[in-house]
Amino acid sequence: SQQGEEDPQALSIQEGENATMNCSYKTSINNLQWYRQNSGRGLVHLILIRSNEREKHSGRLRVTLDTSKKSSSLLITASRAADTASYFCATDAPAGGTSYGKLTFGQGTILTVHP
Amino acid sequence: DAGITQSPRYKITETGRQVTLMCHQTWSHSYMFWYRQDLGHGLRLIYYSAAADITDKGEVSDGYVVSRSKTENFPLTLESATRSQTSVYFCASSLRTSGRRQTQYFGPGTRLLVL
Repeated sequence: SQQGEEDPQALSIQEGENATMNCSYKTSINNLQWYRQNSGRGLVHLILIRSNEREKHSGRLRVTLDTSKKSSSLLITASRAADTASYFCATDAPAGGTSYGKLTFGQGTILTVHP
Repeated sequence: DAGITQSPRYKITETGRQVTLMCHQTWSHSYMFWYRQDLGHGLRLIYYSAAADITDKGEVSDGYVVSRSKTENFPLTLESATRSQTSVYFCASSLRTSGRRQTQYFGPGTRLLVL
């Protein structure tokens, strides 16, 4: 089963609005990352948040992490049409397990920003 | 700065044929990964490699073979293609698999259709 599950599966907003996507995961992690995928392209890394961090900012992106709830959110402020893409969270696994060193990706949230 | 490239970008083959997808990176990253992306399943790890001549299976490795004789190349071979292997295949690389350098850099993908 997927480690990361994004919610919602699809999100449609108008330019200038904020977009919030959520990710839940099942097992403990060291880091959680968010990636973006434009249609027909490979994934591009957006931001990484460590398990001992609660919030990180990068430009118009704000990521929060709640390890007690095993969840993260990605907020894109003042969205633009160019933000239209799929967004994926990816979690790693702590050392000692068979999954160490590998990332597990969720199924993604499809964001559409209308001009 | 070529980054990470994949070839071919599109491939049509027939059931039972052997197919090799190529991946090349110019960063001398130690770690390389192969994923497949299917609707409803997100990205699933097929194989990964920690260094030349070191490879390990991922979540969906049956029917696939990899090799890594050189750090920069990580070819993926479908030994006898099946229709269920119709997918988009992504190669990725990273400097590390822990800490802030675990960011993965993705190639543009290969779209494979097995008839």
